[in-house]
Amino acid sequence: KAGVTQTPRYLIKTRGQQVTLSCSPISGHRSVSWYQQTPGQGLQFLFEYFSETQRNKGNFPGRFSGRQFSNSRSEMNVSTLELGDSALYLCASSLRSSFSYEQYFGPGTRLTVT
Amino acid sequence: DQQVKQNSPSLSVQEGRISILNCDYTNSMFDYFLWYKKYPAEGPTFLISISSIKDKNEDGRFTVFLNKSAKHLSLHIVPSQPGDSAVYFCAASGRNNNDMRFGAGTRLTVKP
Repeated sequence: KAGVTQTPRYLIKTRGQQVTLSCSPISGHRSVSWYQQTPGQGLQFLFEYFSETQRNKGNFPGRFSGRQFSNSRSEMNVSTLELGDSALYLCASSLRSSFSYEQYFGPGTRLTVT
Repeated sequence: DQQVKQNSPSLSVQEGRISILNCDYTNSMFDYFLWYKKYPAEGPTFLISISSIKDKNEDGRFTVFLNKSAKHLSLHIVPSQPGDSAVYFCAASGRNNNDMRFGAGTRLTVKP
């Protein structure tokens, strides 16, 4: 079974621009969660989508948004990029919309904002 | 706010010995805890979990202990192997299952 894939793997943007990251979950998984990893902060939960609906949301500003398509693929968008948005963005898929279920992570997209 | 804390950024252990990774949490509403392992250039992979109704869960060389009164959990790896060298994250979710909080991670190095 193919794992979680994320594209692109690396991205360089300038302040003020916007960016869209993509995540394809494991086949059959309907839940996709997004996380931001920065040095010293660990992984911080952004939001979770299940069956095309945002089910849960972390404490991030509205510049961070996402969506999920009918095939469970998900995109995350960050508008008006700031230097502090430089991070590794990870998505994870799961069978169900519950953090009691094991999540499978993709390799991440490394975003650098200059 | 850091509701899940891993106070040791790094740990070095000799091959064959026990590795003990620690994690503290502040939110008493957390009731499910997980450990993930992360190699460079890869996403985290699930290792082991424990529900708050238990105080111990074992899977091969990996055992997680939960002390609810102290709001503390630990991961024991016995015996440690060089392939265990990675960053280990503990994570916690609450009864509503609407959020997942991760610690900052502990880098484990197992020396041959």
